[in-house]
Amino acid sequence: GENVEQHPSTLSVQEGDSAVIKCTYSDSASNYFPWYKQELGKGPQLIIDIRSNVGEKKDQRIAVTLNKTAKHFSLHITETQPEDSAVYFCAASIGAGGTSYGKLTFGQGTILTVHP
Amino acid sequence: DAGVTQSPTHLIKTRGQQVTLRCSPKSGHDTVSWYQQALGQGPQFIFQYYEEEERQRGNFPDRFSGHQFPNYSSELNVNALLLGDSALYLCASSLPQPSPLHFGNGTRLTVT
Repeated sequence: GENVEQHPSTLSVQEGDSAVIKCTYSDSASNYFPWYKQELGKGPQLIIDIRSNVGEKKDQRIAVTLNKTAKHFSLHITETQPEDSAVYFCAASIGAGGTSYGKLTFGQGTILTVHP
Repeated sequence: DAGVTQSPTHLIKTRGQQVTLRCSPKSGHDTVSWYQQALGQGPQFIFQYYEEEERQRGNFPDRFSGHQFPNYSSELNVNALLLGDSALYLCASSLPQPSPLHFGNGTRLTVT
C-alpha cells in the first residue's frame, strides 16, 4: 500500500521567516495531495491541495509544489505568523473515476512553532 | 453552514466493552470516512461509507464496524475494546466524486 514519509518532525522559525515541509510517497498511482493543519483539540483543517496534473499551487502565503517523477511534494509557508503554529500533515490518495479521495494516507506530521 | 459534527467529544470505556461513535456530515456531503489518530501520529484510515454501504476499508480488524443512515449520518462501532484502541477518532465527509475531505473535531476515546 501507499506510504508517506514527512520531514522534519519539528520545525521552529522566527516570525516572518519561511517554513518548508517535505513529503515523499511510494505509490506512483497517487494523484491527490492535500495538506492539513491541526490545532490542539481540533480536527485536521484542509489548507491547500494539489492534483497530479499540476506542478505548483499557491494561495496567499501558502504554496505547494509537486514533483511526480521524484514522488515528492512540499508545503511552503512565507511570512510566518505565530498563529501558523500547529501540526501540519501531508497526505496522498488515489482518486479514479467516480471514487472519492476518502482513503488518505497521512505522513507522521510536523510540529511547526513560530516564535514572535 | 454546519461543518462535520461528532459526538460525544470525550468517552472513557473499560477494556472489553463496546463503544459507538456518531458523525453528521457537512451539509451537502453524502460520503463519510472514519480515521483513527493515535497520540503524536497521523490519522489512519478505517473505512468509508457511501449510499449506506462500506466502500473502502483500511487495515483494521473486524471489531471495527460502521453504519451509514439514509440521512448520510454515520456510526462507528468498536467491540471488545483494547487498551490500544485509545485514540482520537475522526470523521470526515466529502462529495462522492474526488473532492476534499472535511474533518470533524473528533471523539477522544480512552480505554482503561
